[in-house]
Amino acid sequence: QVQLQESGPGLVKPSETLSLTCTVSAGSINTNYWTWIRQPAGKGLEWIGRIYTSGITNYSPSLKSRVTMSVDTSKNQFSLKLSSVTAADTALYYCARNYQGGFDNWGQGTLVTVSS
Amino acid sequence: QSALTQPASVSGSPGQSITISCTGTSSDIGAYNYVCWYQQHPGKAPKLVIYDVSNRPSGVSNRFSGAKSGNTASLTISGLQAEDEAEYYCSSYTSSITYVFGTGTKVTVL
Repeated sequence: QVQLQESGPGLVKPSETLSLTCTVSAGSINTNYWTWIRQPAGKGLEWIGRIYTSGITNYSPSLKSRVTMSVDTSKNQFSLKLSSVTAADTALYYCARNYQGGFDNWGQGTLVTVSS
Repeated sequence: QSALTQPASVSGSPGQSITISCTGTSSDIGAYNYVCWYQQHPGKAPKLVIYDVSNRPSGVSNRFSGAKSGNTASLTISGLQAEDEAEYYCSSYTSSITYVFGTGTKVTVL
């Protein structure tokens, strides 16, 4: 089955931009939606947004002003940028594949800490 | 958009059945049959156990079942086993073309 792996800096300074990439393997990234989800330590899941392989995006209203997603089908990757981060953005960030009405394959997650 | 409402905790003895509720609104659960359930063990990524209200992905035990009525969905685990002890989250597609998760339910096997 398809596998996903998040990568990116584990530490980001306040007010800077968080950048993460998700690499899809054992399958094609084409003709599907791909999603970012985050989970602060000890808390619940929060949907950040999704991108289709054509580049169409949908973002969470609460994060929309700071989120940008992109996709590189030649590399089987999609990416997340979150600008003007604060300590509240410290979380485990997951990438996942959309399947029917949910998400069937998830990466292992990558911890991003916002701190100076 | 507000998170879907789940009970904080549910417990049961081995072999028993438990049901977790997930309450939303007419803009999410009530509007679409796109309710899913995830199981998350500590330190692990969530695992899809039910999709589109009542469908089980390949490999998921038939002890897991889902249903929906109005703005409330439910997950039932029958024949409770020690390995079922985990956090469970529901999710729903919404009329805003977004997704929303539930608050999470800790299942304890007594």
